[in-house]
Amino acid sequence: EVQLVESGGGLVQPGGSLRLSCEASGFTFSSYWMSWVRQAPGKGLEWVANIKQDGSEKYYVDSVKGRFTISRDNAKNSLYLQMNSLRAEDTAVYYCARILIAAAGPSDYWGQGTLVTVSS
Amino acid sequence: SYVLTQPPSVSVAPGKTARITCGGNNIGSKSVHWYQQKPGQAPILVIYYDSDRPSGIPERFSGSNSGNTATLTISRVEAGDEADYYCQVWDSSSDHPGVFGGGTKLTVL
Repeated sequence: EVQLVESGGGLVQPGGSLRLSCEASGFTFSSYWMSWVRQAPGKGLEWVANIKQDGSEKYYVDSVKGRFTISRDNAKNSLYLQMNSLRAEDTAVYYCARILIAAAGPSDYWGQGTLVTVSS
Repeated sequence: SYVLTQPPSVSVAPGKTARITCGGNNIGSKSVHWYQQKPGQAPILVIYYDSDRPSGIPERFSGSNSGNTATLTISRVEAGDEADYYCQVWDSSSDHPGVFGGGTKLTVL
């Protein structure tokens, strides 16, 4: 059974940092593109970043470029999102998702999400 | 950046057909994926690559994509279909290529 479990969310002050983790199981993690998607309270889904199987390609939404870094450790079946210089508008539930086939593919499995709150 | 436009809400009576649109410039040239999200839950993929249906998704869910509009069609709507629906594309010509529509709240009357 495919499982994605996010962790690392919490309350952080503006300007602070947080590292999210997503532990994958039930599939060959190293064979899939992976993604982070977020959802601000009461708002829609927003794509944040994608990473290729070997980490050689990464894509980000404009609003997080230079502040967030997506990475992965295939030996640990884990996906990460390092978030620096956090802003109030980064407050959201962050989901990790598996991407099927290629970068442009659909996200066929999602974790349950981890809440990040940026507030003083 | 590429923009996807969805109606904020669609209402339909049980047993009828719901159509949720996703508008974008020449979206017919792109692959569209659709997700269903119920309150407090993670999204679920219901249609991918315009019209393919994942295993476990009822045949009542179908998709099409042409010109400037992609459409998610739900036939014989049930109360359990009430949810938010999001379309998604990958705009390979952009340096921030992942895009979601704003979402449509489907209400079953």
